[in-house]
Amino acid sequence: AQSVTQLDSHVSVSEGTPVLLRCNYSSSYSPSLFWYVQHPNKGLQLLLKYTSAATLVKGINGFEAEFKKSETSFHLTKPSAHMSDAAEYFCVVSGMDSSASKIIFGSGTRLSIRP
Amino acid sequence: DAMVIQNPRYQVTQFGKPVTLSCSQTLNHNVMYWYQQKSSQAPKLLFHYYDKDFNNEADTPDNFQSRRPNTSFCFLDIRSPGLGDAAMYLCATSRGAGTTYEQYFGPGTRLTVT
Repeated sequence: AQSVTQLDSHVSVSEGTPVLLRCNYSSSYSPSLFWYVQHPNKGLQLLLKYTSAATLVKGINGFEAEFKKSETSFHLTKPSAHMSDAAEYFCVVSGMDSSASKIIFGSGTRLSIRP
Repeated sequence: DAMVIQNPRYQVTQFGKPVTLSCSQTLNHNVMYWYQQKSSQAPKLLFHYYDKDFNNEADTPDNFQSRRPNTSFCFLDIRSPGLGDAAMYLCATSRGAGTTYEQYFGPGTRLTVT
């Protein structure tokens, strides 16, 4: 069975400081992993994805994530936070479950940016 | 620009009065999804279509139905909305149903039930 855990429901950082949003997953097979961002009252937008190629994945808006199989983690980072990064972030795992592909969303992390 | 469009953005309906939400896409993607998202929660998959092949999630209530008359359009029908069905409804598409395909989301329709 697959699962995904976002370890922090809320993260608050100061503008210009690094961002770390944590995600751990469980999957019986080699999964694909995604990070999506959702601004208030908007749909979700893909930030980046991992699909068994390079383990360090670069995404849009300066975000990147590293797939660590030994730690079953896929944490999202950004070197310097901007006010426009304030949003909800979802880690998503997609893998095979009983011969069908299955998409599992994490519970989300709300990122707040302090001026 | 290719995109996923949802109409209306805000919908108010009365308790028990059927309502239909619509989604269209210009991406020519094979798969279309409907999600329900309640406040401060992750999106919950209701069902998806791979072409015309309908796939219902096991815990999706019978009150929710869907139609996909062609590649571009998909509809969500709520037959008898209850107060608990008030939520944001998100439509998404993907090129395929395999595990590597990312989803493209519409802006959502916020449903209020009075």
